[in-house]
Formats: sequence, structure tokens, C-alpha cells
Amino acid sequence: KAGVTQTPRYLIKTRGQQVTLSCSPISGHRSVSWYQQTPGQGLQFLFEYFSETQRNKGNFPGRFSGRQFSNSRSEMNVSTLELGDSALYLCASSPGQGIDGYTFGSGTRLTVV
Amino acid sequence: AQSVAQPEDQVNVAEGNPLTVKCTYSVSGNPYLFWYVQYPNRGLQFLLKYITGDNLVKGSYGFEAEFNKSQTSFHLKKPSALVSDSALYFCAVRDMGTNAGKSTFGDGTTLTVKP
Repeated sequence: KAGVTQTPRYLIKTRGQQVTLSCSPISGHRSVSWYQQTPGQGLQFLFEYFSETQRNKGNFPGRFSGRQFSNSRSEMNVSTLELGDSALYLCASSPGQGIDGYTFGSGTRLTVV
Repeated sequence: AQSVAQPEDQVNVAEGNPLTVKCTYSVSGNPYLFWYVQYPNRGLQFLLKYITGDNLVKGSYGFEAEFNKSQTSFHLKKPSALVSDSALYFCAVRDMGTNAGKSTFGDGTTLTVKP
């Protein structure tokens, strides 16, 4: 059974550019969450989707957006990148609405230069 | 608002000794509580969860956690630590009330088990 797949694994972008990260959940999982992980801030919640609907959103600026498709795959987009956006972005999926615990992907390491 | 506190950045134990990693939480409604582990250069892995029922829950790799409602705590425990348990541990809380659809993680505790 394939795990949560995140692409790309590594990304280097220039300040001001935009980036799209992709997440394919475990087959049958309908809930997808996104987190930003940095050494100083730990794991910060970005957003969660269930059946294509955003259930909740973290305290991030509007430059951070996401969506979920009918096949449960999800993307997140960051526009007008800033140096402080450099982080590991983690996607996690769950069968239902999150109470089963999450399976995390390996993450996308974004570096903004 | 919901929050999680892991009061210890680092926990050091000798192999074979019992270990405890502490976690306290704050939610407006009933909490759903989780522990995850992150090994070096690997993703987070789910260890165990508390939803309802018995206050002592058992999870993967011999870990267990005790839910204490009066102390709003959910400490992770293992009777006999292994060197291979050395990793970064995260406690997380989920509130099915006003914060539905959001899991809040603690800052993590680095566990080091020495031979």
C-alpha cells in the first residue's frame, strides 16, 4: 500500500516567485492536512481538507492557499515567496475526519533564496 | 483556542529504564489526543491516540500514554527504553468543537536513550 506521496522532494525558488506543492494521499483517505515545519516554530498548521472542502485554516497570510481535488489529491500554493517561507512542508492524510490519526508524507523541502 | 505544551525540550534516559515524555493540552471541548514520532531524516509516524474510553492507551513499538482529564495531560510512557527509541516526539490535540478540522502540535521533545 503506497504511503503519502509529496512532490517535489526539494525545491529552490527565488524571492517573489510562486510555488505549487503536490500531495497524493493514501488510497481511500479523504482528509488531507498541510503543515509547515521549521526548527524554530515546530509544526504549524496550514489547512485541512475533507472531500474537497476546506475545514479549517491556520494563521498564515493569504499568500498560502490550497485545494483538494475529487480524487483527494491536494495542492498548496505559495505566492510572492519570502525568505521566511523556507521550511519543510508536510502533507498528511487520514481515512476520515482526522480522529484516526494521520499518516505523513516525507515532505517538500522549500528553500527561498 | 487549542494548545499543546511539551515542557521538556530534551529527555535523556538509559537503555532499559522507563521513560516518560510529558504533554499537557488545552481545548474548549473534548480532546482527541495523539502522539507522533519523527526519526532522523524520516517523516512523522503515528504512535497512538486517545479518543474516548480507557485512560491508558497502547500504541506502536511498546509505547503507551495515560490520559488525565483533571490534569489535562497525556504523557507518553514506555516501561523499558531502547536505543532505537531515540527520536523527536510530538504530542498533538484535536478539538471536534469550534476548532474542528485542525490538529495542533507541541514543539516536540527530543528523546535520547543511551546504551
